[in-house]
Amino acid sequence: DIVMTQSPDSLAVSLGERATINCKSSQSVLYRSNNKNYLSWYQQKPGQPPKVLIYWASTRESGVPDRFSGSGSGTDFTLTISSLQAEDVAVYYCHQYLTTPRTFGQGTKVEIK
Amino acid sequence: EVQLVESGGGLVQPGGSLRLSCAASGFTFSSYWMHWVRQAPGQGLVWVSRIHDDGRNIRYADSVKGRFTVSRDDAKNTLYLQMNSLRVEDTAVYYCVREGASCGGDCHFDSWGQGTLVTVSS
Repeated sequence: DIVMTQSPDSLAVSLGERATINCKSSQSVLYRSNNKNYLSWYQQKPGQPPKVLIYWASTRESGVPDRFSGSGSGTDFTLTISSLQAEDVAVYYCHQYLTTPRTFGQGTKVEIK
Repeated sequence: EVQLVESGGGLVQPGGSLRLSCAASGFTFSSYWMHWVRQAPGQGLVWVSRIHDDGRNIRYADSVKGRFTVSRDDAKNTLYLQMNSLRVEDTAVYYCVREGASCGGDCHFDSWGQGTLVTVSS
């Protein structure tokens, strides 16, 4: 199984400042045949189901604000919120879909400082 | 609009059974791979099971293999999860999840239901 490890577990950022979440996979999630990273990011607000933000490591889902961006390749990935807004308070999860069982990171809680 | 509505959760004793349902609407259900993902109270997301659109390619997490059975009824646009021999550690919100179909193969999860809570306790 591919183990996904996020860091940090939580972070507090001032409104308007940048938030950065890291995700590391125990094996590469880059599929050489199509040169795509099978890595997505989800946002989960309290009492709500998760919502996809980013897939293929860097493709923003339709309707997601452009302050959210994803980067990385192979085993190391980053989700960046360029200018934190109050509505971004949530837990963020990375997820690999290269292999089954599908696996998630443990989550990173983002709060306002 | 894509809608996934889970039902069937509740309180059950250890060793008991429950069947979860997920009613899908707003898309061609028969064309999509579907999953169950669970989340224990205050914990992270854990994948449980997957069923392909053909209803025959099925996978389970090791933690539920032999106890849970996923199935689908495309005529009713409904996904099911039969849960037997339930354990305290199965307590969680169970989400019905649609896998995207635009990837030409394995894809991210593009739609989630609101979830149904299963509590296993004596």
